[in-house]
Amino acid sequence: QSALTQPASVSGSPGQSVTISCTGTSSDVGGYNYVSWYQQHPGKAPKLMIYEVSNRPSGVSYRFSGSKSGNTASLTISGLQAEDEADYYCSTYTSSGTFVLFGGGTKLTVL
Amino acid sequence: QVQLQQSGPGLVKPSQTLSLTCAISGDSVSSNNAVWHWIRQSPSRGLEWLGRTYYRSKWYTEYAVSVKSRITVNPDTSKNQFSLQLNSVTPEDTAMYYCASGTNWKFHYWGQGTHVTVSS
Repeated sequence: QSALTQPASVSGSPGQSVTISCTGTSSDVGGYNYVSWYQQHPGKAPKLMIYEVSNRPSGVSYRFSGSKSGNTASLTISGLQAEDEADYYCSTYTSSGTFVLFGGGTKLTVL
Repeated sequence: QVQLQQSGPGLVKPSQTLSLTCAISGDSVSSNNAVWHWIRQSPSRGLEWLGRTYYRSKWYTEYAVSVKSRITVNPDTSKNQFSLQLNSVTPEDTAMYYCASGTNWKFHYWGQGTHVTVSS
């Protein structure tokens, strides 16, 4: 099964907001509220930033928020900071035998 | 705070078995509220969920269809850890392997990762 579709790259200046999209189908993103978002810095393990579409784990900045409309989920990062520069991945449960789909990743560059 | 510590070889020969272990601290592998996963990441395949195990009055395991014929995820209650075995590996199985924990299909805590190369 194909991965979820994310833009390859996004960029923004410090203080600005950026939004990363994650598009799937009604069998995955659109059908379940299990969308998660992960931040990964080079050489590090991914870090959970958003779970169940819009929930932030303890310790994650309020600048990170998530939403979903139909088959597309979105991660918005407001007040961009240099340390936000990283790769971001979405994931969700899927009713296929794969159980979990990940997006291909989006590289965020803070200009 | 859950911590996961991975161990296992970084080099496996083609057709052999890849074996990794994930030691848990801060939680119990037998917890009725926890789920334990294996995930891998490679440039060609991206992030790929492989399988999970969890205890809800009895043990359950579930595997991705892409590896279902070759994978085993086992809990080890005596050592509070869980393991991954992937049989008949090929160079396509070369990847960074992570253990992780989390319920409701989120991966909250991650191990440090083990880069496994399949090569003779």
